[in-house]
Amino acid sequence: SQTIHQWPATLVQPVGSPLSLECTVEGTSNPNLYWYRQAAGRGLQLLFYSVGIGQISSEVPQNLSASRPQDRQFILSSKKLLLSDSGFYLCAWRGGPGITDTQYFGPGTRLTVL
Amino acid sequence: SQQGEEDPQALSIQEGENATMNCSYKTSINNLQWYRQNSGRGLVHLILIRSNEREKHSGRLRVTLDTSKKSSSLLITASRAADTASYFCATDTGGFKTIFGAGTRLFVKA
Repeated sequence: SQTIHQWPATLVQPVGSPLSLECTVEGTSNPNLYWYRQAAGRGLQLLFYSVGIGQISSEVPQNLSASRPQDRQFILSSKKLLLSDSGFYLCAWRGGPGITDTQYFGPGTRLTVL
Repeated sequence: SQQGEEDPQALSIQEGENATMNCSYKTSINNLQWYRQNSGRGLVHLILIRSNEREKHSGRLRVTLDTSKKSSSLLITASRAADTASYFCATDTGGFKTIFGAGTRLFVKA
């Protein structure tokens, strides 16, 4: 069965510090991978998605970047965090169009920038 | 802008009552999905309804889809305190992205 991991679960970082959040998927090949951010009590904002190794699509211009160095690994990064980067970050995967339309989410990382 | 918008934003009911949440969207879709999120957790898929379907059931969940009105509803029957969570609709237009609404926060009082 498929499993999706995210770490760390919580993170407190000072403004201006770098960020690296990692997401890995087990039990599936060539998944579409997604990073979302969720502000407190709000919906999901799609940040990045990837349909293959090295292929990244950015949805919202911002202080963050994403990379996919391996088929089942998706990394969210920042060189210098801003206060506005605080939020709940969720990684998700799904199969390609026509394979499965359901998204499967990781447990999330709560990031607080101080 | 959000493709799906849920209504109401928040709902408080007594245990045993039914809970109905609505979702409206703007463009043609391939399917519409409902997800649940417990506080501080990831989203969990509940049910998917395709554009050529009008109603679907899963346990205590009933989803309807009206493509002419671009709307869907999620009914939870005989609610339990454990149903307390946020519920999101999400639409798939056939590409790589699934667009999520802002969610309805359901609180079921024991």
